[in-house]
Amino acid sequence: AQRVTQPEKLLSVFKGAPVELKCNYSYSGSPELFWYVQYSRQRLQLLLRHISRESIKGFTADLNKGETSFHLKKPFAQEEDSAMYYCALRGGSQGNLIFGKGTKLSVKP
Amino acid sequence: DGGITQSPKYLFRKEGQNVTLSCEQNLNHDAMYWYRQDPGQGLRLIYYSQIVNDFQKGDIAEGYSVSREKKESFPLTVTSAQKNPTAFYLCASSIGTYSYEQYFGPGTRLTVT
Repeated sequence: AQRVTQPEKLLSVFKGAPVELKCNYSYSGSPELFWYVQYSRQRLQLLLRHISRESIKGFTADLNKGETSFHLKKPFAQEEDSAMYYCALRGGSQGNLIFGKGTKLSVKP
Repeated sequence: DGGITQSPKYLFRKEGQNVTLSCEQNLNHDAMYWYRQDPGQGLRLIYYSQIVNDFQKGDIAEGYSVSREKKESFPLTVTSAQKNPTAFYLCASSIGTYSYEQYFGPGTRLTVT
């Protein structure tokens, strides 16, 4: 079954600390993975996708097929990073996105 | 102002009534989606449409209906058959279903009492 698991509902770190939001997936084919973010009072939006291998707002995510993971990392968290983060997998018969349950990141001053 | 609009922002209905949530986009996107967002549940796909006059059930379509008569519009009707309709509803669109990015609306919070 195609599935995305985000094991942490809430992750709380202090400003300047490293942060890692975990995402594991289950998919039989070649996965396409994304991170979406929802800041307070803003719309859900794409943060990054594994194909582009880019760093957005200091965040990176590496696809590890052996561990079936796509963890989101940032070396030094900022207060403005506080948001809800969703990992998503392209799956389904029509290429729809399958979202994890989300992790709320809280960065304390 | 381009993008996706959803109206209203808040909606209140009595149990047993059908209610329709609006979603409009002016991005010229072919694909549109409806998700339900509940605390601790993430986003769950209700219905999606790849093209005008076509739509498919998502994971939790029971108690919902949609139409796609125009490219710009994808209204969602929450029927009285939906057992737990109180939720936050998000509409999204993308160039196609295989597009790498979905663009989301601001959402509608529906409360049924």
